[in-house]
Amino acid sequence: EAQVTQNPRYLITVTGKKLTVTCSQNMNHEYMSWYRQDPGLGLRQIYYSMNVEVTDKGDVPEGYKVSRKEKRNFPLILESPSPNQTSLYFCASSTEYIPNNEQFFGPGTRLTVL
Amino acid sequence: QKEVEQDPGPLSVPEGAIVSLNCTYSNSAFQYFMWYRQYSRKGPELLMYTYSSGNKEDGRFTAQVDKSSKYISLFIRDSQPSDSATYLCAMSARGNQFYFGTGTSLTVIP
Repeated sequence: EAQVTQNPRYLITVTGKKLTVTCSQNMNHEYMSWYRQDPGLGLRQIYYSMNVEVTDKGDVPEGYKVSRKEKRNFPLILESPSPNQTSLYFCASSTEYIPNNEQFFGPGTRLTVL
Repeated sequence: QKEVEQDPGPLSVPEGAIVSLNCTYSNSAFQYFMWYRQYSRKGPELLMYTYSSGNKEDGRFTAQVDKSSKYISLFIRDSQPSDSATYLCAMSARGNQFYFGTGTSLTVIP
């Protein structure tokens, strides 16, 4: 089944404890992206990658890191999480960066930073 | 000023009604316009895509883009209870970086 998977789905952590949210797609997509979704602010893009070893900042990259060493994986790293990073995170992928190729979203990761 | 503005609703309509959802934007460089649907506890899924100005129809859904007014719309005809979801508009200038509206929550009452 073609899909984007994220792990973990739920995470409660404490301020300053490094964490990684994994994202993997099995559709051989070049483009991958991370978003966070917050009430009243909507979906905001954190980072995106147009191919392996190519990453760029989105609208809200502060406090996050990403890497794209393999085509199928695009992990999101929070080196020192803070409470303002409590959010619902989505990973997405598509065949190309041209948006008429649909972005497929993962199921989301709900992160709480205490 | 936000790049994309969208009325959050909530919007509640009877089954069979015509629904109109709208977004405005400030960046005149946007040329790719999308509508996503998001069910509760799920990721968004693409509903409609339009390039530049004009209309696009797909079944009960019609997307309109008016670049001169920086205004986009999604119309849903003969709305069904299964259309109950949050609708997100999204835009992009070059097809790599995307800006989403806050979403409009829609409930269609049987």
